[in-house]
Amino acid sequence: NAGVTQTPKFRVLKTGQSMTLLCAQDMNHEYMYWYRQDPGMGLRLIHYSVGEGTTAKGEVPDGYNVSRLKKQNFLLGLESAAPSQTSVYFCASSYSIQRGGQETQYFGPGTRLLVL
Amino acid sequence: AQTVTQSQPEMSVQEAETVTLSCTYDTSESDYYLFWYKQPPSRQMILVIRQEAYKQQNATENRFSVNFQKAAKSFSLKISDSQLGDAAMYFCAYRKTSYDKVIFGPGTSLSVIP
Repeated sequence: NAGVTQTPKFRVLKTGQSMTLLCAQDMNHEYMYWYRQDPGMGLRLIHYSVGEGTTAKGEVPDGYNVSRLKKQNFLLGLESAAPSQTSVYFCASSYSIQRGGQETQYFGPGTRLLVL
Repeated sequence: AQTVTQSQPEMSVQEAETVTLSCTYDTSESDYYLFWYKQPPSRQMILVIRQEAYKQQNATENRFSVNFQKAAKSFSLKISDSQLGDAAMYFCAYRKTSYDKVIFGPGTSLSVIP
């Protein structure tokens, strides 16, 4: 199993450009998450999904959109990038509550995004 | 709202020695999960240890153990026989049982001195 993978690993954008970050997991997890990590602030939840076709807002959703068209993929979109979105983005996945043992999240390697 | 606090932004330990990282949290729930995650320079988050609040026994994973004080809302991580590979950022995290949202603390950067 590859676990959780993220593409791209690194990207530089200009202000106003758009891009999509892809997260894929091969563990058949129901739940998926997008976090951003900034110095001194830990990880903050952007959006999450509890199943295919469903998404919900986290702590810091503004400026981001997400889609979960397939169970194994969770996409994070930036429609008009801003310098404040310079960060490291992590995707994670976990089983649902009903499956048990779901409290553990499995993380991807991260995507470093620089917005100029 | 739940919060997680790590009051030590940076810590260092001599190789083979023991170090304790502090974490406190605030919650009104009686049942929940607590975690310690490690983030090495590779940046990937790795689960180190987890604790269920309803269990009184402290969790242990090899050289890693926790001191869970539920009444004090304290959850410290002890690393014994520290190794160079333990150098990383360590995040304390909380999750309410009924909902899968994890709240992370700001992290503690641990250096291991040879």
